[in-house]
Amino acid sequence: GQNIDQPTEMTATEGAIVQINCTYQTSGFNGLFWYQQHAGEAPTFLSYNVLDGLEEKGRFSSFLSRSKGYSYLLLKELQMKDSASYLCAVMDSNYQLIWGAGTKLIIKP
Amino acid sequence: GAVVSQHPSRVICKSGTSVKIECRSLDFQATTMFWYRQFPKQSLMLMATSNEGSKATYEQGVEKDKFLINHASLTLSTLTVTSAHPEDSSFYICSARDTERGDYNEQFFGPGTRLTVL
Repeated sequence: GQNIDQPTEMTATEGAIVQINCTYQTSGFNGLFWYQQHAGEAPTFLSYNVLDGLEEKGRFSSFLSRSKGYSYLLLKELQMKDSASYLCAVMDSNYQLIWGAGTKLIIKP
Repeated sequence: GAVVSQHPSRVICKSGTSVKIECRSLDFQATTMFWYRQFPKQSLMLMATSNEGSKATYEQGVEKDKFLINHASLTLSTLTVTSAHPEDSSFYICSARDTERGDYNEQFFGPGTRLTVL
């Protein structure tokens, strides 16, 4: 079956760095997405990785290792507004998104 | 660019009534739109994939006679929850893929519709 695993909840301090991991097993691979979702709102796109390596975009970076079925989202200089759920999603061979359950990130002052 | 709207944003209805939710791609054409449902503290669950001009493809366990999907144009898909019951109360989100973009098939999400069935 297809499976996306990510931690349920993480806590970090304002100004610090946090890494959210995601492991996956899917039928085919057409890229991995990270989305941010605030409570009661729809997800917003953060990043996309299809090749191995690190993609950096401002305070957010995303890493992919296809051979390991592994990705992480790195958030630097954390701000209170970064408190949200972070969803990992893999696009399978049918171009459908398989979603992880999301990681709730709590930022403390 | 790549804006998706949903209407209504919130709806409260009585049990047994039907509710229609619209999903529109405002500045691009979307051959394919997706309908998701999200219960509190859970991830998105794909309900169906809507293709313009053809029947929607429903995920296993989703009743096609209860959740009617129509994708009549390249910019509009509708989800009708028929004979709604309290257990249908959820956050319904649509997304659309910009079919003219040749890159990574990103899905653009609407703002969601909060349905409460009394």
